[in-house]
Amino acid sequence: DSGVTQTPKHLITATGQRVTLRCSPRSGDLSVYWYQQSLDQGLQFLIQYYNGEERAKGNILERFSAQQFPDLHSELNLSSLELGDSALYFCASSSGTSGATDTQYFGPGTRLTVL
Amino acid sequence: QQQVKQSPQSLIVQKGGIPIINCAYENTAFDYFPWYQQFPGKGPALLIAIRPDVSEKKEGRFTISFNKSAKQFSLHIMDSQPGDSATYFCAARRGYSTLTFGKGTMLLVSP
Repeated sequence: DSGVTQTPKHLITATGQRVTLRCSPRSGDLSVYWYQQSLDQGLQFLIQYYNGEERAKGNILERFSAQQFPDLHSELNLSSLELGDSALYFCASSSGTSGATDTQYFGPGTRLTVL
Repeated sequence: QQQVKQSPQSLIVQKGGIPIINCAYENTAFDYFPWYQQFPGKGPALLIAIRPDVSEKKEGRFTISFNKSAKQFSLHIMDSQPGDSATYFCAARRGYSTLTFGKGTMLLVSP
């Protein structure tokens, strides 16, 4: 168990809908990362937050947004969902203070299916 | 664009064999190279990592070989076991930048 929790575990929804994925980082970790994993694209970095502030942005669509709250949990909002958004979404956390060797600990993921 | 290229895409070895997974990178500023292991239905977990100032690192049956001049690094699994069957991702980062992952290698170790 990595100590990172994600809810829900599974999510099935329809095209055009909006969903929110939730992540609680490990105790003491200040950085939260969101990744999308699909069969053909591997692990794609979406966005990173550090202590409530956006730190880095990857291949995140404009229909997607995220935030990190004062208690350090994070939410990823996906709107106007398309079939191609079906994927595993992982949250990871790290201390955010160890430079290059800052280890990212991954949660169990949320499997999103868009019908 | 920063890239990490990983090969092979999939690999089948017999129990006791030594699977080797290779990665190549372009950005010479990368200074940290971790490998992650992912079992079905689970999130990736850090397996072993190396900095570019060493050419090899061993942790148990897992070894990273690093070739700075060739900009390549590889994962070797000694005496592989069926329980090692998983997807393996190499990655690279520079300083506080985000991790750039390879596309993964599905390893199957047959009994």
